[in-house]
Amino acid sequence: DAGVIQSPRHEVTEMGQEVTLRCKPISGHDYLFWYRQTMMRGLELLIYFNNNVPIDDSGMPEDRFSAKMPNASFSTLKIQPSEPRDSAVYFCASSLSVRGAGANVLTFGAGSRLTVL
Amino acid sequence: AQSVTQLDSQVPVFEEAPVELRCNYSSSVSVYLFWYVQYPNQGLQLLLKYLSGSTLVESINGFEAEFNKSQTSFHLRKPSVHISDTAEYFCAVSDLYSGGSNYKLTFGKGTLLTVNP
Repeated sequence: DAGVIQSPRHEVTEMGQEVTLRCKPISGHDYLFWYRQTMMRGLELLIYFNNNVPIDDSGMPEDRFSAKMPNASFSTLKIQPSEPRDSAVYFCASSLSVRGAGANVLTFGAGSRLTVL
Repeated sequence: AQSVTQLDSQVPVFEEAPVELRCNYSSSVSVYLFWYVQYPNQGLQLLLKYLSGSTLVESINGFEAEFNKSQTSFHLRKPSVHISDTAEYFCAVSDLYSGGSNYKLTFGKGTLLTVNP
């Protein structure tokens, strides 16, 4: 398996533009997580899905952020409109729920580095 | 709510020296504990985990961590580090009894380990 695939790896955009980040989880994994990493706040969980259904989106900062998982092999995180404070590395991770915290054993993608000017 | 504190943001050491990266957590219930490692420009990878049983857990590359319930700590140690261990290390915690949300990992802010020749 190629692991968790994220695109784009780097995105530079201007304030007010729409940004779409994409993620392909590991085949067969039933959990998908979106994290944001910044120097100030560290790693923050934005939202996670189980079997394509959003379970907890309490970490989504505001209505400008939205995430979807239309099928088991694809998810998007969208920011509209983007702002400079959204600049961060966004990670997607997936996991398989087995007994004994299996769903906590996350496999991370390489991340999407977003810069909003 | 659970939280994780990594007391040291940076730890520089010389090659072959021992190292300890500190992690303390707070939670009102029993927990699972994890250490993840992030190499430059990559996503996080699981290093080791504590679920139950022996309080001392080991990784395949010589790291170990000990769960201390009374001190709510899960410090990471290695008796002799290599230059290739240079990376950022993240401690993470998950509640056992949060229903569906026990798959939610809370991460510390990370400790940058730099191994110098």
